[in-house]
Amino acid sequence: GQNIDQPTEMTATEGAIVQINCTYQTSGFNGLFWYQQHAGEAPTFLSYNVLDGLEEKGRFSSFLSRSKGYSYLLLKELQMKDSASYLCAVRDQSERLQAQLWSRNKGAAGNKLTFGGGTRVLVKP
Amino acid sequence: DADVTQTPRNRITKTGKRIMLECSQTKGHDRMYWYRQDPGLGLQLIYYSFDVKDINKGEISDGYSVSRQAQAKFSLSLESAIPNQTALYFCATSPGQGAGGYTFGSGTRLTVV
Repeated sequence: GQNIDQPTEMTATEGAIVQINCTYQTSGFNGLFWYQQHAGEAPTFLSYNVLDGLEEKGRFSSFLSRSKGYSYLLLKELQMKDSASYLCAVRDQSERLQAQLWSRNKGAAGNKLTFGGGTRVLVKP
Repeated sequence: DADVTQTPRNRITKTGKRIMLECSQTKGHDRMYWYRQDPGLGLQLIYYSFDVKDINKGEISDGYSVSRQAQAKFSLSLESAIPNQTALYFCATSPGQGAGGYTFGSGTRLTVV
């Protein structure tokens, strides 16, 4: 199974930087995702890490350390529209065999995501 | 048109009623999922399907059932709705491998009174 922890809420000032940490414990690991979700809306994909290191995408960066079961999402040059919840999600490798069996040798990996509780970020002027 | 479409967007129903939430996708993905989200909480997996003939229970399947009518359609049913099933429900799809995460539908806000 999976256990994913992230802070409940963070507050930061417009133009500043905020780092959202995520720690996980998993029986199998096949990638970590970050999603942004505005209130009442669907989550939208931000980033994906499967190897250790930093992935940068504009104002957003995501870091992964598999040995530590740790990731962070870094938001730079904060804007008011960045006020949202940020969800950390881990893809479970333990589903790989089941998925392959059902996929009739398509060679696909398991792809079920387990989500953390989300971190609500409030950006203040 | 949206890649993943959920209907209805909002629904108010009475305790004990049967209700079906529908999801259809044009992504061509084999994998489909139903999640619920309660205020201030993360997403909890209800059911998932890796293929048309494959149905699997998630973390919180009690009180729910699903039907995978086709590759593109995955419906969630509440046979006898109860108030603690009031939540925001999301359908999602995913490809089989690589960096493909989920594509979510816009959600269905269900209120059971």
